[in-house]
Amino acid sequence: RKEVEQDPGPFNVPEGATVAFNCTYSNSASQSFFWYRQDCRKEPKLLMSVYSSGNEDGRFTAQLNRASQYISLLIRDSKLSDSATYLCVVNDGSGGYQKVTFGTGTKLQVIP
Amino acid sequence: EPEVTQTPSHQVTQMGQEVILRCVPISNHLYFYWYRQILGQKVEFLVSFYNNEISEKSEIFDDQFSVERPDGSNFTLKIRSTKLEDSAMYFCASSEAGGTRGFYNEQFFGPGTRLTVL
Repeated sequence: RKEVEQDPGPFNVPEGATVAFNCTYSNSASQSFFWYRQDCRKEPKLLMSVYSSGNEDGRFTAQLNRASQYISLLIRDSKLSDSATYLCVVNDGSGGYQKVTFGTGTKLQVIP
Repeated sequence: EPEVTQTPSHQVTQMGQEVILRCVPISNHLYFYWYRQILGQKVEFLVSFYNNEISEKSEIFDDQFSVERPDGSNFTLKIRSTKLEDSAMYFCASSEAGGTRGFYNEQFFGPGTRLTVL
């Protein structure tokens, strides 16, 4: 089983739609969870951290389910500018808190 | 807004040659990282660096690779005797601190250097 697994997509959604991505992780000892965004041929940028209680930032909501070892990202009212690849990132805390593992990403295309 | 910078943006080299990729982390950051992303694949951790020494490295980071902070601003990744499979985008990142239990210090990524080995 891959350490961090995501559906690669692409998810093609119309503007204004709500879309959700899931990510599963294999290490039950994982400590920290994040969603990054990566535009084509650009660097990853932190979108949001994912907390146990769930957290929201504007149109974006992240959830963590430790029992099932998955995290989710919900995007409401999709904008054209949301088109990107969304990377699930996990820090398992082993040997320090700097090493993170990236998923392969889920590609989102928002269509006019 | 402070940012991580990397040079060159694109490096083309012959197989077997040595390359040095350069990064200037954000000035008050203490931890530095290198990642690579082979085209169409995921971002992979290579190494983290703190206080002038490697603090963590992945299995990818073998004897072919080395890192250095030659002065107060630059952070370099050297790849000796490049192979075709080293062709990838190499991202440098930096963070204020390395993180403590349950707390992650955001890593800021540079724009990357695209390495092409012919």
